[in-house]
Amino acid sequence: EPEVTQTPSHQVTQMGQEVILRCVPISNHLYFYWYRQILGQKVEFLVSFYNNEISEKSEIFDDQFSVERPDGSNFTLKIRSTKLEDSAMYFCASSEKGLTAYEQYFGPGTRLTVT
Amino acid sequence: QKEVEQNSGPLSVPEGAIASLNCTYSDRVSQSFFWYRQYSGKSPELIMSIYSNGDKEDGRFTAQLNKASQYVSLLIRDSQPSDSATYLCAAFPNILTGGGNKLTFGTGTQLKVEL
Repeated sequence: EPEVTQTPSHQVTQMGQEVILRCVPISNHLYFYWYRQILGQKVEFLVSFYNNEISEKSEIFDDQFSVERPDGSNFTLKIRSTKLEDSAMYFCASSEKGLTAYEQYFGPGTRLTVT
Repeated sequence: QKEVEQNSGPLSVPEGAIASLNCTYSDRVSQSFFWYRQYSGKSPELIMSIYSNGDKEDGRFTAQLNKASQYVSLLIRDSQPSDSATYLCAAFPNILTGGGNKLTFGTGTQLKVEL
């Protein structure tokens, strides 16, 4: 069964460093998403991406964040200068379509720890 | 502001009983709804989607949607210890009316199925 994959599973970085989180969405999916979940809190939307551009972003997704689809399979989230409060689980998700309510499937997540 | 509300629990049910999980939402733009199961330290796993008023059954799971009351529920029949997890309710807007294309999650209800 196709699934979303993410690497690394755990990333430890120092405050102010840049990190890149990687995702491989399900191959025939067209819409890609990043969510995050701070420990003990709800899953929060960060950004959605379609046709090589951002389709929607949240207030959390400020200038420190960027997304890219560098090739036909990978989807990346970059945090330029990490802060302590960026420590969270980051989930990539993909859906076959976004114009109607098609299901979003989540990857296993990357646990980001900023020290 | 779009909100999805869930009782955080824990909801404890004996093995073999029916577990009833509830969710309310405050935004009439919300069009479709999803239930995700999240084990501790893991990513959300999609278990049910429901798009129209009424009931939808899939195996031991039944989702119920009442858009007039802005209420969604999930019933789990014959609950098993392996069902013990946090159940997340998520709302998806009608983007044709400008609602965006992100999932808005509730905080989740922790379910404990006891032997």
